[in-house]
This record gives sequence, structure tokens and C-alpha cells, in this order.
Amino acid sequence: GQQVMQIPQYQHVQEGEDFTTYCNSSTTLSNIQWYKQRPGGHPVFLIQLVKSGEVKKQKRLTFQFGEAKKNSSLHITATQTTDVGTYFCAGRVRKTGNQFYFGTGTSLTVIP
Amino acid sequence: DSGVTQTPKHLITATGQRVTLRCSPRSGDLSVYWYQQSLDQGLQFLIQYYNGEERAKGNILERFSAQQFPDLHSELNLSSLELGDSALYFCASSEGGRQGKGNTEAFFGQGTRLTVV
Repeated sequence: GQQVMQIPQYQHVQEGEDFTTYCNSSTTLSNIQWYKQRPGGHPVFLIQLVKSGEVKKQKRLTFQFGEAKKNSSLHITATQTTDVGTYFCAGRVRKTGNQFYFGTGTSLTVIP
Repeated sequence: DSGVTQTPKHLITATGQRVTLRCSPRSGDLSVYWYQQSLDQGLQFLIQYYNGEERAKGNILERFSAQQFPDLHSELNLSSLELGDSALYFCASSEGGRQGKGNTEAFFGQGTRLTVV
């Protein structure tokens, strides 16, 4: 079945260090979304990538969509304590009715 | 505030019982999604409705069912509850969702935390 995997599952970084989470799909995605879930909170939409090789930036966050549209990454530069949370990718597969398949998530802890 | 309302926020019930979780989507959103999130787990897609019709099914147990009403609110029914059903259940809504039309950014509710004892 369709799977969207994320690595790493957990990441602890010192405040100020960079952080990257990777999302890999077993099939080609029509687009991919990223969400952030703060501890005790609900997932909040961050961004959507549609085009092959697309790169988008939001302040310290950089999102990439792979050329083959099977993988994506989220990179945070100079992490802050406010970046703490779990980051999920959600890949959309056209052949399954445009369903979004959420990745397993990467839990980020930022040590002050 | 995402604009998606879920009730109740917390629910404690015994094994074998049946519960109903309710979701009011954002105004204008036609798609409603239900997700289950167990402790330290990812989001497991259960089911999607679009404008009153079932659109897609994920890993939803036969003991679970859902529907979307004409006013677009949705209910998730969980029956013959087991201890393993304890989880956070999220509802999300989006504008589109059918054949790729419309904005598919999903807005999540605060979730219903279900505890089965």
C-alpha cells in the first residue's frame, strides 16, 4: 500500500543548530504539503509544493520537492525553541483519488 | 483558531460502549477528513467525505462509521470500543478534495481525546 516515510523519527538539536527532516514516498506524488503540530496541539498547515524540483522558503524554513516528485525535505536554519513540535509531510497521490497520505512525522526538540 | 470545531474535547468511556464524535467544518469547506492519532504516533487517515458523499476510505475499522450531513457537519461513530481505540481523533476540513479541484489545504480541529477504560 501507499506509504510515506519520514526520517528521522526524533531529532534533538541545540538552539541555533540547523534541522532537516526528509519525506519519502513509494509512489510519485502530485503534490506535497507540510504541517506542524505543537505538543498538545493540532496539525497546522505550513506549505504546499506542486512542481518537480520546487523550492519554497518561509523565513528560516526551506521546503524542497524532489525532481522525481517522490521525496521532499524541510530544513530549518538556526532553530529556535519556538520550532519545537512534530513536522508531518502529506503526499497527495492522484491515482488514489487525490488522497493525502501523512508521513510518520519527525519530532523536533530544541535544547535552549 | 482553525475554524473547525470538534466536540467533545475529551471523552472517557468503557470497553464495549459506543460513542459519537462531532465535527463542524470551516464555513464553505466541502471536504471533511477524519484521522486517528495514537500516543506518539502519526496521523492515520480514516475516512473522507465530500459534500455529503463518502470520498475515500483509509484504515477505518468496521466498528467505526461516519457520515456527513446536508449542513456539512460530520459525525464519527465508534462502537464496541476496545482499549486500543484510545487515541486523539482529529477532524480536518478543506475547500476542495474532489478530483483535485479547489484548495486542498486542510484545517484541523483541536481533536477529541478518547479514553477507553
